[in-house]
Amino acid sequence: AQRVTQPEKLLSVFKGAPVELKCNYSYSGSPELFWYVQYSRQRLQLLLRHISRESIKGFTADLNKGETSFHLKKPFAQEEDSAMYYCALRGAGNQFYFGTGTSLTVIP
Amino acid sequence: DGGITQSPKYLFRKEGQNVTLSCEQNLNHDAMYWYRQDPGQGLRLIYYSQIVNDFQKGDIAEGYSVSREKKESFPLTVTSAQKNPTAFYLCASIGRDRGYNEQFFGPGTRLTVL
Repeated sequence: AQRVTQPEKLLSVFKGAPVELKCNYSYSGSPELFWYVQYSRQRLQLLLRHISRESIKGFTADLNKGETSFHLKKPFAQEEDSAMYYCALRGAGNQFYFGTGTSLTVIP
Repeated sequence: DGGITQSPKYLFRKEGQNVTLSCEQNLNHDAMYWYRQDPGQGLRLIYYSQIVNDFQKGDIAEGYSVSREKKESFPLTVTSAQKNPTAFYLCASIGRDRGYNEQFFGPGTRLTVL
């Protein structure tokens, strides 16, 4: 069965410190994984997707098929990174599975 | 922030009443989705539709119904059979313009059952 797990509900880091938001998945096929972000009073929006291998707002995420993980990383956290982050997996038929989310707080 | 709209923003319902949440998009997207967002549970899929006049149940479809008579519209009805309907509801769409890789979300409707 498809599943996305985000083990941390809450994560706090100091400004300038590295941050890593964990995401693990289970999927029988070849996974397509995404990170979505929801800033305060804004809509949920796509942050990045693994297939494009891009860095957005300083964030990167590498798909590790051996560990079935897609952790989101940023070397130096900024206050504006405080938000709710969701890891998502696309299954068959364009059905998406979301994790429970991690609320990131960057302490000034 | 155009593209996909939801109305109303807040909705109050008495127990035993059905209520319909609106979702409209002008992005020419083929697929549309309804999610329920509860604290600590993330987004859970209620229904989704890939084309007009077709839709599939998600993980928590019981107590909900949908229709997709037009490409632009995907209304969700919360019926009296839904045991715990108080929640935040999100609508999303996806289309060819982004290679079906990016879901666009509406602003959400907060439903409270009194």
